[in-house]
Amino acid sequence: EAGVAQSPRYKIIEKRQSVAFWCNPISGHATLYWYQQILGQGPKLLIQFQNNGVVDDSQLPKDRFSAERLKGVDSTLKIQPAKLEDSAVYLCASRRIQGAQNTGELFFGEGSRLTVL
Amino acid sequence: AQSVAQPEDQVNVAEGNPLTVKCTYSVSGNPYLFWYVQYPNRGLQFLLKYITGDNLVKGSYGFEAEFNKSQTSFHLKKPSALVSDSALYFCAVRDYGNNRLAFGKGNQVVVIP
Repeated sequence: EAGVAQSPRYKIIEKRQSVAFWCNPISGHATLYWYQQILGQGPKLLIQFQNNGVVDDSQLPKDRFSAERLKGVDSTLKIQPAKLEDSAVYLCASRRIQGAQNTGELFFGEGSRLTVL
Repeated sequence: AQSVAQPEDQVNVAEGNPLTVKCTYSVSGNPYLFWYVQYPNRGLQFLLKYITGDNLVKGSYGFEAEFNKSQTSFHLKKPSALVSDSALYFCAVRDYGNNRLAFGKGNQVVVIP
């Protein structure tokens, strides 16, 4: 079974520029997550999709971050304009829905490392 | 909101010795608890989870974890550490009925040959 695919793996931009990250989840996984992992910290949830609908985006900085999941499969996370503090690894994860109790584990991609200069 | 504390920044252990990585959690209801491992420049890999049932949970690569409700802890253990176990370990908790998975800050484990 193929894992969660992410691209690009690395991106360096200057502040105020824009960047987009792409994620393809595991086939059949209805739930997709974007996490931000700043160096020395645990992953922080940015947004969660179920199929193509947003379940939780309460921690997404909506003035500069946006995400979409058209057709309920691939997803794109965009940052515009980028700030220095956005330097982090952006992790995409997916999960197969297992009943109503959310007991299933997440499967993570290898991440996209962003450096903002 | 749920939260996780991993009190130690780094755990050093000699190869062949027992390894313990500590985790305590806070939730308003019944917890779903997870351990993930992250190798350099890689994503997080699932190790094990506690949902219900036996307090001792066995997972991948010889790891196990013990759920202790009274101490709100879920410590990760391995009887005999390998050099290849050197990595970053994350504890995570999800509250029943809440979709969000909260991660701790992680523990760097260094296994010394």
